[in-house]
Amino acid sequence: EVQLVQSGAEVKKPGESLKISCKGSGYSFTSYWIGWVRQMPGKGLEWMGIIYPGDSDTRYSPSFQGQVTISADKSISTAYLQWSSLKASDTAMYYCARHAGYSYGLDGMDVWGQGTTVTVSS
Amino acid sequence: QSALTQPASVSGSPGQSITISCTGTSSDVGGYNYVSWYQQHPGKAPKLMIYEVSNRPSGVSNRFSGSKSGNTASLTISGLQAEDEADYYCSSYTSSSSPYVFGTGTKVTVL
Repeated sequence: EVQLVQSGAEVKKPGESLKISCKGSGYSFTSYWIGWVRQMPGKGLEWMGIIYPGDSDTRYSPSFQGQVTISADKSISTAYLQWSSLKASDTAMYYCARHAGYSYGLDGMDVWGQGTTVTVSS
Repeated sequence: QSALTQPASVSGSPGQSITISCTGTSSDVGGYNYVSWYQQHPGKAPKLMIYEVSNRPSGVSNRFSGSKSGNTASLTISGLQAEDEADYYCSSYTSSSSPYVFGTGTKVTVL
């Protein structure tokens, strides 16, 4: 079964660092782009960026460039999203998802993780 | 990169058909056939319903169909059922500064 399994919920204080994970299985992890999506409480989906685990090529939405870091360890089929200094406004659900393809354009996200809730509060 | 524009809400009675619009620009929806639609039930992860404008992934009901005209894409749900009540998001590849963008989201209510 093709699946993405994310790490568990996190509760952090402002200024702390955090790294959440997304482990793929059931397919060739290095052959598909993995994206991260933010959903703030009661709000819509926001595309944050993507990584190609095969060579770690990474692209960011301008809204998130410099705010987060996307990385991957292909040896363990895992992608990461990390913050160096969290803010209260980072409180949200974060999803990883697999993009079905990227040739002439970036295709839809066909496999989703279950989501990781991040709560940042003093 | 601004979000694609969707109506905030759409409603219909069981058995009816409804259509959700998704308006972008020639740099995204109008320029490429990489429009997707997602369904999200409360507390759940989104689910891909349509990709490349009008293609359905395996397992998605044929009551869901997609189309595009100019800078506007549409998702039609025919034979509306109670289980279709959810939030729906469109998305598109874009040639602007960010390669991907979501729509603002539409809440579908089954009356």
